[in-house]
Amino acid sequence: AQRVTQPEKLLSVFKGAPVELKCNYSYSGSPELFWYVQYSRQRLQLLLRHISRESIKGFTADLNKGETSFHLKKPFAQEEDSAMYYCALFYGGATNKLIFGTGTLLAVQP
Amino acid sequence: DTEVTQTPKHLVMGMTNKKSLKCEQHMGHRAMYWYKQKAKKPPELMFVYSYEKLSINESVPSRFSPECPNSSLLNLHLHALQPEDSALYLCASSQPGRGTYEQYFGPGTRLTVT
Repeated sequence: AQRVTQPEKLLSVFKGAPVELKCNYSYSGSPELFWYVQYSRQRLQLLLRHISRESIKGFTADLNKGETSFHLKKPFAQEEDSAMYYCALFYGGATNKLIFGTGTLLAVQP
Repeated sequence: DTEVTQTPKHLVMGMTNKKSLKCEQHMGHRAMYWYKQKAKKPPELMFVYSYEKLSINESVPSRFSPECPNSSLLNLHLHALQPEDSALYLCASSQPGRGTYEQYFGPGTRLTVT
């Protein structure tokens, strides 16, 4: 069955520290993976998609098919990075379904 | 226009009321979605419309009734809701079958059922 696992409910770091938000997935096909971010009182917005291999706001994420992981990383956290982060797996074909992980709340302390 | 808009922002309704939530996008997307989100939880998919036809209903109770009048609009009709239906209702859109499949989300309607 398709599943996305984010093992940490809360990750608290100090400003300037490295950040790694973990995401593991279970999917028999070729995965399409995303990171979405939800800042306080703002809409859910796309942060990264694995297929484009881009860096947004200093965040990167690499798909590791061997470990079935798509961890989100940033070398130096900023206070404005504090938000809820969701890893999501596109379960496609005709269904266009997006399966979300349970989310990790990142709190960056000054 | 690259946004999904939702109205109203907030809605308080009694258990006997009938109300509707509205969603609009002008990005030319042909797939639209309704999600329910409880506090500090991920969005839960409710319905998917693809080319204005209902393609997924995730076993949602019949007190929620979706409608897609055209390719830009999506409604969610509410009737005889329960207090546990109080949540943030999110609309999203995407272009089905092309590109990277990312969904664009609206700001949501915060619904309180009294």
